[in-house]
Amino acid sequence: KNEVEQSPQNLTAQEGEFITINCSYSVGISALHWLQQHPGGGIVSLFMLSSGKKKHGRLIATINIQEKHSSLHITASHPRDSAVYICAVRLPNSGGSNYKLTFGKGTLLTVNP
Amino acid sequence: DAGVIQSPRHEVTEMGQEVTLRCKPISGHNSLFWYRQTMMRGLELLIYFNNNVPIDDSGMPEDRFSAKMPNASFSTLKIQPSEPRDSAVYFCASTKGGFHSPLHFGNGTRLTVT
Repeated sequence: KNEVEQSPQNLTAQEGEFITINCSYSVGISALHWLQQHPGGGIVSLFMLSSGKKKHGRLIATINIQEKHSSLHITASHPRDSAVYICAVRLPNSGGSNYKLTFGKGTLLTVNP
Repeated sequence: DAGVIQSPRHEVTEMGQEVTLRCKPISGHNSLFWYRQTMMRGLELLIYFNNNVPIDDSGMPEDRFSAKMPNASFSTLKIQPSEPRDSAVYFCASTKGGFHSPLHFGNGTRLTVT
């Protein structure tokens, strides 16, 4: 069974700070997702990556397949970045299911003005 | 594009009652997923449909839960009879499929069973 661990569970930052959220998993995967969930519940897919690094605006996601580890970075953080960030991994050959994801418990980020 | 539409947004019901949650996936998406989110367990896959056919229902907790997808634009998740431990947020998500297709979530239905 694949376990997905996120750290920290909770993170409080001041506006403008550089944020890093970590995700580790225990078995080989075919892809990793970073999701954002705002208060009020909607979930948005931020990144899907299987190697290297992706960047979208102030968000950067990296993955190290050998170390089974991914990080989500937020540069110049802003109060509107306050949300729960969820890491999810997809196992290879997931019985035909492209999205049999295993989710981490999430990291609650609060960015204060 | 209206996104994935779920209804109702909130449902409060008494133990023993039947609950039906509804989902309209994004037009053109051929894969649909029902997830449940709780504080204790986080997000869990309940069932996955591909081209309206249930592919993997191993996450459905017990026989009280059933899901259908009668056509490409509609799916339901039914709980009968409901129990307090079913209280959670239920999300529907859809995708075009394929390795690089992103997953699009609905806004969820918050279910409270008293």
